[in-house]
Amino acid sequence: EVQVLESGGGLVQPGGSLRLSCAASGFTFSSYAMSWVRQAPGKGLEWVSAIGGSGFNTYYADSVKGRFTISRDNSKNTLYLQMNSLRVEDTAVYFCARIWSFQPHHAPTDYWGQGTLVTVSS
Amino acid sequence: EIVMTQSQVTLSVSPGERATLSCRASQSISTNLAWYQYKPGQAPRLLIYGASTRATGIPARFSGSGSGTEFTLTISSLQSEDFAVYYCQQYNNWRPTFGGGTKVEIK
Repeated sequence: EVQVLESGGGLVQPGGSLRLSCAASGFTFSSYAMSWVRQAPGKGLEWVSAIGGSGFNTYYADSVKGRFTISRDNSKNTLYLQMNSLRVEDTAVYFCARIWSFQPHHAPTDYWGQGTLVTVSS
Repeated sequence: EIVMTQSQVTLSVSPGERATLSCRASQSISTNLAWYQYKPGQAPRLLIYGASTRATGIPARFSGSGSGTEFTLTISSLQSEDFAVYYCQQYNNWRPTFGGGTKVEIK
């Protein structure tokens, strides 16, 4: 059974940092691209970042480019999102999701986690 | 950036009735469109990909249609578990974007 499980969310002050993790199981992790999607309170879904199966190709939304870094450790079946210079508007539930392709684009996301809440507040 | 518009913010439907949800793209995306079902506190679920192909395990009452810029998700006979928020998403380029969502609620 395909499963992805996010962790690492919490309360952080503006300007602070946080690292999210996503543990994957039930599939050959290195064969699939992965992504992070978020949902701010009362808002819809927003794509944040994606990474190819090899880890070499990465993509970011303009709203997080230069502040967030996506990475993966295929030996540990784990996806990461390093979030720096956090802003109040980054407050959201962050979902980890598998992209149905080796490349991180031109494919739907077929499995999602339940999300982890990140709250940026003083 | 391709903007996805779901014009129906809320759709009130009685159980057993048909629900028709719409999604429009700001430019042609061929059939590179997916529909997701989301219930708060749960993982979003892929329903439809390629605009019209049901994902594994999705009941036949869910169907998708459209191409180019206009798309539709139809739920033929609403069951209690179908009341949720539905999002369309385009994946035609490297920056996927979602519609704002349509909440299907009990009438």
